[in-house]
Amino acid sequence: DAGVTQSPTHLIKTRGQQVTLRCSPKSGHDTVSWYQQALGQGPQFIFQYYEEEERQRGNFPDRFSGHQFPNYSSELNVNALLLGDSALYLCASSQTSAGTGSGYTFGSGTRLTVV
Amino acid sequence: GEDVEQSLFLSVREGDSSVINCTYTDSSSTYLYWYKQEPGAGLQLLTYIFSNMDMKQDQRLTVLLNKKDKHLSLRIADTQTGDSAIYFCAESFNQAGTALIFGKGTTLSVSS
Repeated sequence: DAGVTQSPTHLIKTRGQQVTLRCSPKSGHDTVSWYQQALGQGPQFIFQYYEEEERQRGNFPDRFSGHQFPNYSSELNVNALLLGDSALYLCASSQTSAGTGSGYTFGSGTRLTVV
Repeated sequence: GEDVEQSLFLSVREGDSSVINCTYTDSSSTYLYWYKQEPGAGLQLLTYIFSNMDMKQDQRLTVLLNKKDKHLSLRIADTQTGDSAIYFCAESFNQAGTALIFGKGTTLSVSS
């Protein structure tokens, strides 16, 4: 049973460019959350998608947007990249009907470097 | 407001017990989690505790929750070198769409 799959694993972009990161949730999960983890910090919540809609959003600017597809996979888009966007981007999947007590399954992340 | 605090570093010898501490500020938190992150990897859920529990034991792991002091701890018995990693405490609320609020992580270093 595959867990959460993220692609690509590493990415280097130039300031001002746009980037798209992808996530396939664990089998049976219908909810995808995205987190940003800067070096030496804990993950920070970006947003969560359920039923193809953004259900909750953290304190991130509109440059960060996302999408969820009918097969529950998700994309994170970041426009007008800044040096400060360099981080590990983590995708976490869960099953909404199971409640939050079941926890979230995290992928290994995409390491984004903005130069 | 929501905030989760952890000490940054802990160093122990192999075979000793490790205790990692965490404090949180939101008393309405429903679930509290411990995640492990190894270098270059994502987060692995170790264990979690529901807010109406005081203790949970799972093999070498023991979680203690003091709701009055908003204090959570993770005890790892017989710590091994493979336990060297960053440990994150996180809280959430039992409602749809809830986000996990993480601490900055405690780096556990186990020496042989």
